Order: sequence, then C-alpha cells, then structure tokens
Amino acid sequence: DGGITQSPKYLFRKEGQNVTLSCEQNLNHDAMYWYRQDPGQGLRLIYYSQIVNDFQKGDIAEGYSVSREKKESFPLTVTSAQKNPTAFYLCASSIDSAGANVLTFGAGSRLTVL
Amino acid sequence: SQQGEEDPQALSIQEGENATMNCSYKTSINNLQWYRQNSGRGLVHLILIRSNEREKHSGRLRVTLDTSKKSSSLLITASRAADTASYFCAMGFSGNTGKLIFGQGTTLQVKP
Repeated sequence: DGGITQSPKYLFRKEGQNVTLSCEQNLNHDAMYWYRQDPGQGLRLIYYSQIVNDFQKGDIAEGYSVSREKKESFPLTVTSAQKNPTAFYLCASSIDSAGANVLTFGAGSRLTVL
Repeated sequence: SQQGEEDPQALSIQEGENATMNCSYKTSINNLQWYRQNSGRGLVHLILIRSNEREKHSGRLRVTLDTSKKSSSLLITASRAADTASYFCAMGFSGNTGKLIFGQGTTLQVKP
C-alpha cells in the first residue's frame, strides 16, 4: 500500500538537544511538506520541498532544518534554537492535479520537551 | 496572515442531524479543500472545490464556495457518531508551490 510513514510516533527530548523526525513516502510524489500543529489549532507550514535537493521555508521555519536528498525522504530536524518545540508534527506529500495539490498526510509525530 | 478562519470552533449535534461548518479567507484562491482529522491522527482529504465552481457533492458532503464573499461551507448531512472529528479548510493559491494554508478547524461531536 502506498502512503507516508512518520517515525517515531512519540519522542521526548531534553532541552538543548536536536532531534530528527523521519518522513518517508512511496507514493512517487514530487512535493513534500512539514506542518506543525499545536493543541486546538490549525496547521502551520514549517518547510516544503517541490523537488529533490531543493526546499523552501514556510511560515515558521526558525529553529528547524530539513534535507531532501531523495525523492522518498524529507527528514525534519528540530534544533535547540526552537524555543517551544513541544507540538504535533505532520508530514505530507502531494502531486499536482490540474493546478491543485491534494495532500496525503502521515500519522504524525508527537514531540515533547522535558 | 493568509490563514483561514473557521466557525464555529466547536459543534455538538445529535446523530442524524446536519452539521454545517464555515470557512472564510482573506486573499484570492485557486482552490479550497476540506480535510478531516481524527484525534491524534493525520489529516485525510475530503473534497476539493476550485475557484470557478460554486458547489460540489461527495456522498453526504456538500461544499459551497462564494469567491465574492471569500467564504466556503461544508455541510455533512445525516451525521453519524463516526463523523466525530476536527474539520479543516485549506486554501490553495495560483502560481505557487502547491502549499496549502489551513484554517484553525472546527471540532465536531456527534452524539449517538
């Protein structure tokens, strides 16, 4: 079955540590995205990538970094510079369909800073 | 901010009733989409409506779009307990990257 796999599902981090969230897709989608969701709120875009070896900042990129070395993979690193990293992180991918992009989401990774 | 606004923030109804959620946005869009999220899970795409369309149906879902008012509504008819979830509108824009801007969501509770 095609889909998006995020890991780990739950992650605990001490302050000052970097952590990397994995996102892998086997949908052959060109574009991939990372969103952050805080309790009771909508999604905010962190980074996105339309093609391998290229990515752009979203609305809240500070304190995060990404790479896109392979089409299937788009890992997100939450660095110690991110002051409030506790959140639910969602990875998505999309393919252009007549000028519109419908996103397929992973199940999410919940990061808690201790 | 391009973020959409949804109302109500929360909605509680009885099974069998209809549920209506509204979304307003600030700038011109290419398309508007609705997604569903069960608690603690990823989002699932429900329906897409393009800027040149006024209404679309999919099963028990009906979406309308009024570009002059910059607003959309999602109607779920004959609701079921399994419809309990959060619903988000998402705006897509012309000539951009495919990224979507999401509203803050409506939490729907359907009581059996």
